[in-house]
Amino acid sequence: GEDVEQSLFLSVREGDSSVINCTYTDSSSTYLYWYKQEPGAGLQLLTYIFSNMDMKQDQRLTVLLNKKDKHLSLRIADTQTGDSAIYFCAERRPGGYNKLIFGAGTRLAVHP
Amino acid sequence: DTAVSQTPKYLVTQMGNDKSIKCEQNLGHDTMYWYKQDSKKFLKIMFSYNNKELIINETVPNRFSPKSPDKAHLNLHINSLELGDSAVYFCASSQNPGLAGNTGELFFGEGSRLTVL
Repeated sequence: GEDVEQSLFLSVREGDSSVINCTYTDSSSTYLYWYKQEPGAGLQLLTYIFSNMDMKQDQRLTVLLNKKDKHLSLRIADTQTGDSAIYFCAERRPGGYNKLIFGAGTRLAVHP
Repeated sequence: DTAVSQTPKYLVTQMGNDKSIKCEQNLGHDTMYWYKQDSKKFLKIMFSYNNKELIINETVPNRFSPKSPDKAHLNLHINSLELGDSAVYFCASSQNPGLAGNTGELFFGEGSRLTVL
């Protein structure tokens, strides 16, 4: 399909791990990204993974990429209330124009 | 210093009016973008300019006209506004996508919320 798909909501308890999943569309996409949007703000890049990698770890964040299934996930360890936000998955389509296709975002709610 | 700044942040207007949103970036990037985020949070690319040249032009009504006077500015003019134009419009910038090793990271402004009544 044309759309990058993500589940819309995730609720976790503070201190637990959060896993946000994404299915992207184009197996030729070169980079896959996770962006974070806090209320009233623009999107900020959290992390990215190049398409020839399976995993990337960056402090509390772990990104897993399954190219065969076109599946991307973001794991946040020890989730904190400050992690509450909308998380967007995005793929960079091939070609020279940096065309990023975004999912609809997963709203993460962290409760005590 | 704000890296990507958009004005106005909020815009409320009547159907049929013409309005503009301005965007400026001070990151020295060559490439700028306009994205539209609807009420369901879907974020869709509208346009992209690289060094003042239009390089991405998605299926957007021709009532929307981007203008890039220089590579640090990309403005969006909308004619004959319709109810369905209500959304948050995000400007973004990035390094030149043609550069080797460019990860494609986008730097977003804070958004301009347009409400058409």
